[in-house]
Amino acid sequence: GAGVSQSPSNKVTEKGKDVELRCDPISGHTALYWYRQSLGQGLEFLIYFQGNSAPDKSGLPSDRFSAERTGGSVSTLTIQRTQQEDSAVYLCASSLAGGHSNQPQHFGDGTRLSIL
Amino acid sequence: GESVGLHLPTLSVQEGDNSIINCAYSNSASDYFIWYKQESGKGPQFIIDIRSNMDKRQGQRVTVLLNKTVKHLSLQIAATQPGDSAVYFCAENAGGSQGNLIFGKGTKLSVKP
Repeated sequence: GAGVSQSPSNKVTEKGKDVELRCDPISGHTALYWYRQSLGQGLEFLIYFQGNSAPDKSGLPSDRFSAERTGGSVSTLTIQRTQQEDSAVYLCASSLAGGHSNQPQHFGDGTRLSIL
Repeated sequence: GESVGLHLPTLSVQEGDNSIINCAYSNSASDYFIWYKQESGKGPQFIIDIRSNMDKRQGQRVTVLLNKTVKHLSLQIAATQPGDSAVYFCAENAGGSQGNLIFGKGTKLSVKP
């Protein structure tokens, strides 16, 4: 079956521009996660969605970052007024359930964001 | 605090040999652990997971061992193949209500033909 799909796969933009990253989770997965991976580093958690519930935004690195999930499926991560330190690979994962369910998270191939 | 780390940043093995990748964690309350494989330009690929009520779990050519006494996790790959070359991450459940994972920095596995 189809895995987690992310678009665009690559994005190059100028400092100060806004970018929108999209994630389409595995069908039937209620939990959706965004992570960020800087060059040669592990993954940093950003935000979690369980179905249509409002997310806890405390993991987002600044107020320039926002995310939404429409209809409990597709999610978008928006970065406003991008800065060079935002350059990273943004990864999305989904799982059958989140929270304390301990279900494996399955990742997309990410969006490689480069800020010039 | 919570952290997941790896003992060896790089590992080079001969094709056909067994590989062992190690990981230490610091949160004794962690109850779920996962190993991921990440190839260049790809997202992390789920390999195997284990819950804290187990100390060993086997998959196809892979075995995960959990030692809660010393807070140590290992991934064993049998008969390592060139296609196993990648960066391997261990991750643990952060323990909060969201179920997000805490990742280590990864171990690069290189398989020599």
